[in-house]
Amino acid sequence: GDSVTQMEGPVTLSEEAFLTINCTYTATGYPSLFWYVQYPGEGLQLLLKATKADDKGSNKGFEATYRKETTSFHLEKGSVQVSDSAVYFCALSGSTNAGKSTFGDGTTLTVKP
Amino acid sequence: GAVVSQHPSRVICKSGTSVKIECRSLDFQATTMFWYRQFPKQSLMLMATSNEGSKATYEQGVEKDKFLINHASLTLSTLTVTSAHPEDSSFYICSAPPRTEYGYTFGSGTRLTVV
Repeated sequence: GDSVTQMEGPVTLSEEAFLTINCTYTATGYPSLFWYVQYPGEGLQLLLKATKADDKGSNKGFEATYRKETTSFHLEKGSVQVSDSAVYFCALSGSTNAGKSTFGDGTTLTVKP
Repeated sequence: GAVVSQHPSRVICKSGTSVKIECRSLDFQATTMFWYRQFPKQSLMLMATSNEGSKATYEQGVEKDKFLINHASLTLSTLTVTSAHPEDSSFYICSAPPRTEYGYTFGSGTRLTVV
């Protein structure tokens, strides 16, 4: 079945540091890939997405590129802020899973001033 | 946009009582709603899929009689945790499939604490 493997956390960075959170996936067909962010006590918010190979999703300074050859969708940001502290989930929805989403385990990011 | 409103956001109940969680699609019709459960510091696990006008589809290992799901209309899906126990304490989130390829719309979640 489909699966998503995320870099283990927690990740602690200083403000303005570079961020990378690794994500790899296994899926049949051609899935769409997503990054969601969850702030404390809240639900998930879509951060960015990519629907086909070589697509780059971007939002709020975050970027991720759909790499079919390495089955990866790594999240990056050049300069993190304290307000980026949250839990980040990589997810996929495939053409063969009836619209369900498969999530990675989440990576907790803490940014210190 | 596509907004899903989930209520209540927090609920504390006594062991043995039942709790109902509602998810409403505010500006679109959702024939399907996904219900997830999230344990502390863990990922989301799909519990079941509600379908308007038919029975819900439960994932393996989810007790159908404990987690009652009803999709009463094209804009409302409910999850009722029956005879709740402390081990049912968790964060429950609903999600509607996207109307486009963009992304899945999530409710804001319900923090259930059973005491």
